[in-house]
Amino acid sequence: DGGITQSPKYLFRKEGQNVTLSCEQNLNHDAMYWYRQDPGQGLRLIYYSQIVNDFQKGDIAEGYSVSREKKESFPLTVTSAQKNPTAFYLCASSGGQGGGQPQHFGDGTRLSIL
Amino acid sequence: GENVEQHPSTLSVQEGDSAVIKCTYSDSASNYFPWYKQELGKRPQLIIDIRSNVGEKKDQRIAVTLNKTAKHFSLHITETQPEDSAVYFCAATPGDYKLSFGAGTTVTVRA
Repeated sequence: DGGITQSPKYLFRKEGQNVTLSCEQNLNHDAMYWYRQDPGQGLRLIYYSQIVNDFQKGDIAEGYSVSREKKESFPLTVTSAQKNPTAFYLCASSGGQGGGQPQHFGDGTRLSIL
Repeated sequence: GENVEQHPSTLSVQEGDSAVIKCTYSDSASNYFPWYKQELGKRPQLIIDIRSNVGEKKDQRIAVTLNKTAKHFSLHITETQPEDSAVYFCAATPGDYKLSFGAGTTVTVRA
């Protein structure tokens, strides 16, 4: 979906380093999400934000942090506390009222350990 | 929270045959059930969704059925084509912002 841009496409992290993944959307969606995808597994929710300046933990939030200072942007920081960060990270957004709305995904960022 | 199980994990079909993927969910309050298709290294793309007030929905060769009593829903792909080869994910939510995904089904369409 051209309306959600994730960068970079590939990212390498050194041990003990924090890295930040970018997610920008121009769909005017209120809600944004971060998912982690491991090989052969489904998507697991890390954090989500229903509105600017508000966000909630998902199922696997430990070792990650987010901010939502602007409607268009929802960056994800993978901290050094996340001991197994190698995965495919997907950002999504949804519009409409409340939950239960179609989520549209970006192209993802593949994070690896150096 | 919601728990979604998806079967089978892999599915191989002859081109032109039908493919069926089944999912069960645990939370009886779930009311929105999307299906996503993900090609290798690409983003998941929404292909069809259904809400709990509808029992069946069809879009060309793709259909989804929902059985609220049994808490299961299925994706049906008819007249499969090579471009249908991908990983398919089901998901469910009770209407909050947390979407729970199944583990995925890898569909291979043999020419």
